[in-house]
Amino acid sequence: DAKTTQPPSMDCAEGRAANLPCNHSTISGNEYVYWYRQIHSQGPQYIIHGLKNNETNEMASLIITEDRKSSTLILPHATLRDTAVYYCIVRYNDMRFGAGTRLTVKP
Amino acid sequence: GAVVSQHPSRVICKSGTSVKIECRSLDFQATTMFWYRQFPKQSLMLMATSNEGSKATYEQGVEKDKFLINHASLTLSTLTVTSAHPEDSSFYICSASSGGGNSNQPQHFGDGTRLSIL
Repeated sequence: DAKTTQPPSMDCAEGRAANLPCNHSTISGNEYVYWYRQIHSQGPQYIIHGLKNNETNEMASLIITEDRKSSTLILPHATLRDTAVYYCIVRYNDMRFGAGTRLTVKP
Repeated sequence: GAVVSQHPSRVICKSGTSVKIECRSLDFQATTMFWYRQFPKQSLMLMATSNEGSKATYEQGVEKDKFLINHASLTLSTLTVTSAHPEDSSFYICSASSGGGNSNQPQHFGDGTRLSIL
């Protein structure tokens, strides 16, 4: 019963920006948006999270719309090692995963 | 910081065996830990929420007598798969955060345990 919708797959050219969208139209006022990624056969890796302001760290940027019903994760210069399944999660007190987006970075 | 260690990384055992998986937060105290299961080509499925010093809360459809969870300290939670059968073969993953279940602090995940029951 994940509360987010993501495209099942995306491709991106190496060195270009990867923009991964997520819809969370039923988000509540106290719920944060989290992004994780999972490389094959590993545990998920935390990327970034935010409430309503845009956020940036060394890995990525998170853009949240003003109505908070959607967000976009931006990997500014994708590399082959960024190939993974990316999960957008809306969370208050637990962490439930949807199907995520399988991002493939191509040479 | 925020490292979660999970052990063992891989287990292969016979049907009927009980298997214990450990999840440790190495550099922070975790009031709440989560246990997940992931089948091939599927997403992570939340199994239970483990709170230090109290009984775990299990998701619907997860047998609490089959999957025993103990969270005896702020840095260790264990999942025991009792009398494991081939259908229990899966990738088991734990997560923890320093802020507890209702915090906005991100969860950090272990590297998972691949359980194979023969």
